[in-house]
Amino acid sequence: QVQLVQSGTDMKRPGASVKVSCRASRDTFNNYYIHWVRQAPGQGLEWIGIINPSGGATSFQQNFQGRVSLTRDTSTSTVYMDLSGLMSDDTAVYYCARSRFSNDAFDIWGQGTMVIVSS
Amino acid sequence: SYELIQPPSVSLSPGQTVNISCYGDSLGDNFASWYQQKPGKSPVLVIYQDTKRPSGIPERFSGSTSGNTATLTIRETQAMDEADYFCQAWDHNRAVFGSGTQVTVL
Repeated sequence: QVQLVQSGTDMKRPGASVKVSCRASRDTFNNYYIHWVRQAPGQGLEWIGIINPSGGATSFQQNFQGRVSLTRDTSTSTVYMDLSGLMSDDTAVYYCARSRFSNDAFDIWGQGTMVIVSS
Repeated sequence: SYELIQPPSVSLSPGQTVNISCYGDSLGDNFASWYQQKPGKSPVLVIYQDTKRPSGIPERFSGSTSGNTATLTIRETQAMDEADYFCQAWDHNRAVFGSGTQVTVL
């Protein structure tokens, strides 16, 4: 059973915003934390932030403070990541991943969403 | 900023054992996790809490730690183990990843 399903590829102009979705199973949504991690082409993994879907509390990597927002829709068990002020450096695959506790390993990952920022 | 240091690449023949190291200043105080990532695919958790193996991960994958260095060991390496491997730990409520080690099975 697929646990995390993400939205498809998106292309944006510099300066725009992008919203990526991550639909979880009900069990995952109610009992796990959801993280966002990105990977630029040919590069490593970079943690962006975390949301507790149950209560909505969030925390972010300092590099993304003020530019990223994480929200959730409890009716559809979906978590959203909004990233604003896009630059070409934001071109990457964005993953959602879950952990049982906030400072825990990421045991299930979404399939990834490619975001391309280009003029 | 906190860093986790991994060797960039390692090559070996099928059947050999590979040890991938991950060094971090405070890794001895925090658990390490390891992820396997094949080209075009999402990362897969292979080791968590330094030494534990998730269900479905072959027994030839194991983890250990000594001081500030975590190590992922793959015994009897197979062609299917060719991938990038990333270590990960938590530092002040922030997830940090190593830069990754590319494992090539010749």
